[in-house]
Formats: sequence, C-alpha cells, structure tokens
Amino acid sequence: SQQGEEDPQALSIQEGENATMNCSYKTSINNLQWYRQNSGRGLVHLILIRSNEREKHSGRLRVTLDTSKKSSSLLITASRAADTASYFCATDPSSWGKLQFGAGTQVVVTP
Amino acid sequence: GAVVSQHPSRVICKSGTSVKIECRSLDFQATTMFWYRQFPKQSLMLMATSNEGSKATYEQGVEKDKFLINHASLTLSTLTVTSAHPEDSSFYICSAASSGESDTQYFGPGTRLTVL
Repeated sequence: SQQGEEDPQALSIQEGENATMNCSYKTSINNLQWYRQNSGRGLVHLILIRSNEREKHSGRLRVTLDTSKKSSSLLITASRAADTASYFCATDPSSWGKLQFGAGTQVVVTP
Repeated sequence: GAVVSQHPSRVICKSGTSVKIECRSLDFQATTMFWYRQFPKQSLMLMATSNEGSKATYEQGVEKDKFLINHASLTLSTLTVTSAHPEDSSFYICSAASSGESDTQYFGPGTRLTVL
C-alpha cells in the first residue's frame, strides 16, 4: 500500500520562483525522506528529516515535518530549469528500510 | 557518494522468455538490497527485500516464483523475471543499503523492461 500522498500532482513554474509540494502519511515514522527522479532515471536522495526534527535545510531545499499532522513539505527556492523532475516523499514504517513512496509531484520549471 | 549500477539499462524481450537484471553496489558492501517496480507516471512500489546469503522476502501480491531474487554477494543482487509477459513491462529499480547506514538507500539508475 502507498504510505504517502502528495500534492499537487503536478506543478509548473518559471525559473526563479519557489516550488512547494506536500506529503501526507498514515502511520508513525522514524524519518521521512525526499527523492528526486528525472524522467526515466533512478532516484536521487535529497534530504532526510527525522521524526524529532521540525525543519531541515540543504542548499535551496527546505523540508518541514509536522508529526502531529503526519505531513511534510518540500520547498525549492529560486528554482532552475534543471530542477524539472518528479519529487517523491518516502517513509519507512517498518524501520527495516522498506520505503513506501508517495505518488509524487511532477515539477516543470520553464526558463 | 555511494554508487549503484544496474544492467542492462534497457531490455526488450519476447513473451515467455526470462530476463535477468543485475544490481551492483560499486564502492560499498550492501548487506540489503531492495527491488522496486514503477509503472509509467506512477510511484515506486517495493517488490522484495534481499539480504546477502538469505532468501528474499517479498511484499504482498508479488509472486516469488515469477520474480526470482538472488543476493549471492555483498555487491550483487539479481532479479530474474521468469516467463515474462507484456504486463511485466515496467521500470525496475534497485537500491542498496549498507549495515552501518540503515536509513540511507542508494538507488540504481533503473532498468526499462519491455515485453513484446
């Protein structure tokens, strides 16, 4: 079963704008991860946020986690055309590495 | 960062044949490897977990006799799709985790399987 639900399903923005996407999950977690996937390629790990953390930054990425609402958000600031990709959140309810992925948000950044 | 490779990257086969996909961790020892399947414009679905030297554990609904997994060494896991049919056409992605970093998985580039 799919643990995470993401919205929006698709997002189209212009270079320089910020992109925000959200992820909701159902069960308790130890951490939540965000991945990027370029079309037809493998996944690139972006950031991991632990359940005792509320916010984390990495370069132009900002991730928040609200365990009371079972939700997370990924913000990409000052987007670039190279940020065009699908973004997935993933949780591991089992703590055995069995990641459950959200449906993903397809982001298109136009120059 | 750690590198995981998959081979082949793309394969086309006839219905009824078997296809083997390799997943290798190039610069670290992967005690656990995971196999995912992704249909077009959909998310990744975990198929099975393989631990080196032991039998793979399959997720509900995944046929173990259909998708044979072997994890014979700490750097190689293979997925064999037996008697492939067109509905098996998909993007298969593996990931690998080392014993010291259970939170972090490194993903391969994926294998596009097309069954005619």
